Amino acid sequence: QQQVKQSPQSLIVQKGGISIINCAYENTAFDYFPWYQQFPGKGPALLIAIRPDVSEKKEGRFTISFNKSAKQFSLHIMDSQPGDSATYFCAATSNTGKLIFGQGTTLQVKP
Amino acid sequence: NAGVTQTPKFQVLKTGQSMTLQCAQDMNHEYMSWYRQDPGMGLRLIHYSVGAGITDQGEVPNGYNVSRSTTEDFPLRLLSAAPSQTSVYFCASSNQGLYEQYFGPGTRLTVT
Repeated sequence: QQQVKQSPQSLIVQKGGISIINCAYENTAFDYFPWYQQFPGKGPALLIAIRPDVSEKKEGRFTISFNKSAKQFSLHIMDSQPGDSATYFCAATSNTGKLIFGQGTTLQVKP
Repeated sequence: NAGVTQTPKFQVLKTGQSMTLQCAQDMNHEYMSWYRQDPGMGLRLIHYSVGAGITDQGEVPNGYNVSRSTTEDFPLRLLSAAPSQTSVYFCASSNQGLYEQYFGPGTRLTVT
């Protein structure tokens, strides 16, 4: 059972455009929703995270939008750059101690 | 700080062989985890530890064993490798539960 569903699987965006990746979760006990960025041959690295008591969090060009009633959250990358080309994973966890990842989205930003 | 280190970087095993994937961290983190990454599946939690001497199962624990005798080290053992265990394995650590995790560079394992 996939508790965190991520879409799209792959995404191609022109330089300067907006990249949007969506995730949906099932377990209402989840209380922390991080996004990880992974470059080829490297381990994932924490990009930005949000807790369900806020609807939006912004860090530079990266923004998480959170809809608690719909059990959905999304990552927006503004002014996308070729250096943003990577695989992005959403995830969710609670105090049970298990971090559950989405399937991943491969983003390609064309110059 | 070296952060989270993993060895080896690459490994090829024959079916039925055993091996240990090593993971170490020098950040004095209490929490350590092992994940496997497969195409289209994201990262799946194998086992995790909340401190020395304490381990628990994740989503896909079958075929893997762990132990945590020190804060720094968290080895993952494959007792009898199977082709289904071909994957990239990542170790991670955290000092805040499993919230903000730091990942190692990964071990690419192929079982033939």
